[in-house]
Amino acid sequence: DQQVKQNSPSLSVQEGRISILNCDYTNSMFDYFLWYKKYPAEGPTFLISISSIKDKNEDGRFTVFLNKSAKHLSLHIVPSQPGDSAVYFCAASSSWGKLQFGSGTQVVVTP
Amino acid sequence: GAVVSQHPSWVICKSGTSVKIECRSLDFQATTMFWYRQFPKQSLMLMATSNEGSKATYEQGVEKDKFLINHASLTLSTLTVTSAHPEDSSFYICSARVPATREQYFGPGTRLTVT
Repeated sequence: DQQVKQNSPSLSVQEGRISILNCDYTNSMFDYFLWYKKYPAEGPTFLISISSIKDKNEDGRFTVFLNKSAKHLSLHIVPSQPGDSAVYFCAASSSWGKLQFGSGTQVVVTP
Repeated sequence: GAVVSQHPSWVICKSGTSVKIECRSLDFQATTMFWYRQFPKQSLMLMATSNEGSKATYEQGVEKDKFLINHASLTLSTLTVTSAHPEDSSFYICSARVPATREQYFGPGTRLTVT
């Protein structure tokens, strides 16, 4: 039973435009959410996180939005750059527990 | 962000031998580290949670006698794949949790090939 879902396996976006990645979760006990970027044969790179007491967190080009009532979070990347092409994972945890990962979204940024 | 290293980055071993993979948190102390395995084109699969000074907690279906985990210090956790077989060939990744923030930082991964 997958508690964190990324329903879009891939996303293509033009350089300079906004990338919006979506993530849904089912466990209402999740109170901390993270986004990671991953290149093949490398470990995930931490991008940004958000606690359930907030609905938005921003760090440079990355903004994460959390909608607790909908059990939905999204990652906005503005502007998208060619180096952003990678697989993006969302993850969630509750009470310092282990991370539950989504299945990932492959982002391709085109010139 | 915090830095986590893994060693070796890749290793080839013969079937039946054991292989040790190290995971180090370089600029912070991590009471909790995690070991993951990634199969091709799949998400990360948590194998075990490693707590400094205590026994690791293994996920269901992971053989604790085959995948030995030791977390002897606040900056080092090791995963030993014992009596490796070709089906153990995979990409193993560790992560360390920053105590005050709950952020987890991942190592670069270790590619294990068992021949």
